[in-house]
Amino acid sequence: QVQLVQSGAEVKKPGASVKVSCKASGYTITTYAMQWVRQAPGQGLEWMGWISAGDVNTRYSQKFQGRVTITRDTSASTAYMELSSLTSEDTAVYYCARAPGGWSSLDYWGQGTLVTVSS
Amino acid sequence: DIVMTQSPDSLAVSLGERATINCKSSQSVLYSSNNKNYLAWYQQKPGQPPHLLISWASTRESGVPDRFSGSESGTDFTLTISGLQAEDVAVYYCHQYFTTPQTFGQGTKVEIK
Repeated sequence: QVQLVQSGAEVKKPGASVKVSCKASGYTITTYAMQWVRQAPGQGLEWMGWISAGDVNTRYSQKFQGRVTITRDTSASTAYMELSSLTSEDTAVYYCARAPGGWSSLDYWGQGTLVTVSS
Repeated sequence: DIVMTQSPDSLAVSLGERATINCKSSQSVLYSSNNKNYLAWYQQKPGQPPHLLISWASTRESGVPDRFSGSESGTDFTLTISGLQAEDVAVYYCHQYFTTPQTFGQGTKVEIK
């Protein structure tokens, strides 16, 4: 069965970077796009970006442009989201989610990774 | 950016009654080439990731109970829960995947009256 398993919680200082991993199983990672969505405590969902299936193309929300990088390691069946220049406003749960049709709804989600930014 | 506005922010419904959640997009999310609205609905329970209920505005995902249904009228979208069950208590989000950045509604909290 399809599973997305994310790396564990992180605590970072302001100005640091964080890299969250998302290991896919039950399907071939290159056949589906992967998206990243975050959720601040008690808040709604915020789309961050997307990495395509097949040829590696990425798109990012303008809000995070220049700070976010989404990559993929095919041999490890793992996608990554790195966010730099962290501030307290980046404290959130970060989710990876599979997009079956490339540009589509999100049918499977990781369990989420809490990133806390605090001095 | 396309703004997705949900209403109400919260609602309380008696068990077995109907719950209706609205979502309005600030511009069309209809792709003319395939005549599909790029709109999804998710359910999120506390401490869990969102769970996909409906894609393309009205296509129920496999395994989703048929009491959940979606409909559309132009830029207005509706999620209906016909016959609310205790396990339906959650926050519900609409999501447009028509264009970048993809955007979500602010969420509607459904509780039992």
